[in-house]
Amino acid sequence: DIVMTQSPDSLAVSLGERATINCKSSQSVLYSSNNKNYLAWYQQKPGQPLKLLVYWASTRESGVPDRFSGSGSGTDFTLTISSLQAEDVAVYYCQQYYSSPFTFGPGTKVDIK
Amino acid sequence: QVQLQESGPGLVKPSQTLSLTCTVSGGSISSGSFYWSWIRQPAGKGLEWIGRFYDSGSTNYNPSLKSRVSISVDTSKNQFSLNLSSVTAADTAVYYCARGLVESYQLLNFDFWGQGTLVTVSS
Repeated sequence: DIVMTQSPDSLAVSLGERATINCKSSQSVLYSSNNKNYLAWYQQKPGQPLKLLVYWASTRESGVPDRFSGSGSGTDFTLTISSLQAEDVAVYYCQQYYSSPFTFGPGTKVDIK
Repeated sequence: QVQLQESGPGLVKPSQTLSLTCTVSGGSISSGSFYWSWIRQPAGKGLEWIGRFYDSGSTNYNPSLKSRVSISVDTSKNQFSLNLSSVTAADTAVYYCARGLVESYQLLNFDFWGQGTLVTVSS
């Protein structure tokens, strides 16, 4: 199984400041035949369904604010919230869909400082 | 907008079978463009993929649970179900159903999730 790790476990950022979450996979999730990274990011708020933010490591889902951006390739990925808003308080998960079983990172909790 | 809603008992006794149903609205469960999964999250822990149904009858399960899991589909009700047998306290978790995308025969990321339902295994 591909093991996904995230750092930090939690972070507190001032409103309007940048939040950066890192995700690392135990093996590359870059599919050579199409040069795509099989990596997604989700947001989880209490009592709400998980929400897809980013897929293919850097493609923002329709309707997701452009302050959310994904980057990285191979085994190292980053989710950046460029200007943290109060509604961004949540837990964020990365997930690989390169190989089965699909696996998730342990999550990063983002709070307001 | 697609919506998924989990339902089923919130309490199951040890050694019994956990049974949950996911009702899909706003889209057909028969569409070949999607697959349908169960994922769980024990309290304070991460997300664990349980299994999926796709392609008019194909199923895959997490090897860690394979011997105890089955997923079935009722297209007439636009529902799919999870059965997990011989449960123990370790199976206590919030259980989610989710829709995943299929593209060029590849199973990709999830795009819609249910809110989740807590199942507690206890006598």
